[in-house]
Amino acid sequence: QVQLVQSGGEVKKPGASVKVSCKASGYTFTSYSITWVRQAPGQGLEWMGWISVYNGNTNYAQKLQDRVTMTTDISTSTAYMELRSLRSDDTAVYYCARNPSTDDSSGYLGYWGQGTLVTVSS
Amino acid sequence: SYELTQPPSVSVSPGQTARITCSGDALPKKYVYWYQQKSGQAPVLVIFEDSNRPSGIIERLSGSTSGTMATLTISGAQVEDEADYYCYSRDSSGNPYWVFGGGTKLTVL
Repeated sequence: QVQLVQSGGEVKKPGASVKVSCKASGYTFTSYSITWVRQAPGQGLEWMGWISVYNGNTNYAQKLQDRVTMTTDISTSTAYMELRSLRSDDTAVYYCARNPSTDDSSGYLGYWGQGTLVTVSS
Repeated sequence: SYELTQPPSVSVSPGQTARITCSGDALPKKYVYWYQQKSGQAPVLVIFEDSNRPSGIIERLSGSTSGTMATLTISGAQVEDEADYYCYSRDSSGNPYWVFGGGTKLTVL
């Protein structure tokens, strides 16, 4: 069965970086892309960006473009999201989700990871 | 930046029909997707491409669009339908960004 298993929670200080992993199983990793979504405590969902596993193309939310990098490791079927220069308002649960499109044209996020809580606090 | 607007809350009695709206200027040109999120859980896709239900999603959930508004309808709402619902779509003005609506808390009591 399709599974996306994310890394464990992190506590970071302001200004630090965090790298969240998302290990996929149960399907051909290169046939789908990955979308990242975050949710601050008590708040709504926020689209962060998308990466094509097939060719590495990315599309980042404008407000995060300067601080976020999404990558994949095909050898381990793992996607990564790195966020730099962390601020307190980056405190959120970060989700990865499987996306069926190769060109970021679909909003069909049929499988999600369990979420990773990143806490930014001094 | 592009926005999708949802009412913060909708409340119905069990068995009634709940309607959750989502408005956005690009909706006549772009598909809308709906996600259900129950407390402490990851979101679940319940409607894709305006009006299609993924397999395994209950038939009392349906989606429709008209002009700049999309609507998620829950017919005969049950207590187990209580959740936050988010619409999700894309800007059509040349920006390649996706956007979630602010979310609607559905209460069934």
